[in-house]
Amino acid sequence: AQRVTQPEKLLSVFKGAPVELKCNYSYSGSPELFWYVQYSRQRLQLLLRHISRESIKGFTADLNKGETSFHLKKPFAQEEDSAMYYCALNAGGTSYGKLTFGQGTILTVHP
Amino acid sequence: DGGITQSPKYLFRKEGQNVTLSCEQNLNHDAMYWYRQDPGQGLRLIYYSQIVNDFQKGDIAEGYSVSREKKESFPLTVTSAQKNPTAFYLCASSTGQGETGYTFGSGTRLTVV
Repeated sequence: AQRVTQPEKLLSVFKGAPVELKCNYSYSGSPELFWYVQYSRQRLQLLLRHISRESIKGFTADLNKGETSFHLKKPFAQEEDSAMYYCALNAGGTSYGKLTFGQGTILTVHP
Repeated sequence: DGGITQSPKYLFRKEGQNVTLSCEQNLNHDAMYWYRQDPGQGLRLIYYSQIVNDFQKGDIAEGYSVSREKKESFPLTVTSAQKNPTAFYLCASSTGQGETGYTFGSGTRLTVV
């Protein structure tokens, strides 16, 4: 069975500092990985997905199959990045389309 | 305006009562999902449906039931058998193709009084 672990419940940084939100997964096949974000009073929304290798709002994430990680990074955090972040995995196969989420990390960016 | 709508936003239930949460989408998505969001536990899958008239249990289906009679609608019933129903419930939809991601509703907060 697949599992997603976000080891940090809370993460605080100062504006302009680099930020890294950790995500580790366990799955024996080739996963598809996502980061979702939930800003205050807004819906949960897709931030980025590994398959498209895109950068959204300055965030990037690289899939490291050797370390089974998909950490989310941004070189210079902004106050508007404060939000709840979820890492999610799609296992494919019979679970096609079904996502398994991590526990979430609350990021706070201080001025 | 395409999207996914959950109603009501807040719901109060007396112990022993069944309640139904509504989820409607006009995105023409094949797949729909119900998640429960609890502090410190992330999102846990309750039920999902990849096609009309078919649905599967997720990780925490006990005490819940669903139906998928129409492509647009995927209501969730929280029954009296659910031991700890107070939570935030999120509905989502997708094309069913794994790489496209989900569209989420705004959620329903259920409180048992």
